[in-house]
Amino acid sequence: DAGVIQSPRHEVTEMGQEVTLRCKPISGHNSLFWYRQTMMRGLELLIYFNNNVPIDDSGMPEDRFSAKMPNASFSTLKIQPSEPRDSAVYFCASSLRAGANVLTFGAGSRLTVL
Amino acid sequence: SQQGEEDPQALSIQEGENATMNCSYKTSINNLQWYRQNSGRGLVHLILIRSNEREKHSGRLRVTLDTSKKSSSLLITASRAADTASYFCATDSNYQLIWGAGTKLIIKP
Repeated sequence: DAGVIQSPRHEVTEMGQEVTLRCKPISGHNSLFWYRQTMMRGLELLIYFNNNVPIDDSGMPEDRFSAKMPNASFSTLKIQPSEPRDSAVYFCASSLRAGANVLTFGAGSRLTVL
Repeated sequence: SQQGEEDPQALSIQEGENATMNCSYKTSINNLQWYRQNSGRGLVHLILIRSNEREKHSGRLRVTLDTSKKSSSLLITASRAADTASYFCATDSNYQLIWGAGTKLIIKP
């Protein structure tokens, strides 16, 4: 297995533009997590899916953020419109079972909003 | 919210020395995990210790857990340059992990 695959690895965009980050979890993993990491705030959980269903999106900063998981092998995190304060590294992680189990992280998508 | 708090925030040691990092948490847990993050990479799971375990080993890693003090330590023995990374503890809370701010470990050649 190639692990959790995220794209793009780097994204530089201008304020106001739409950003879409993509994630392919490990095959057979039932839970998927989107995290954001910044120096100031550390690692923050944005949203958690179990069996493709969003369980908790309370960590999503505001309505500009949305996430979908149309099937077991694909998820997107969209920011529209983007703002400079959204600049961060966004990680996708998956785990075999629901709950606080061992997570496998992707390499991350580094977003810079100018 | 961050439950785990690692200390020190940063640690610099000579190659070959042992490195010890600590993690404290606030509420009762089922398990505690340690992860490593190399610069520019995602986090990698190192070891999981359950609340009924006191010590666990994996290669050069030794993790202890003291539930009475709500604390854990990660010991890396005979450190190598490749151990340079940030180390995070994570405790379970319902369906999600609660992360500490991490300890940045630098191994000097």
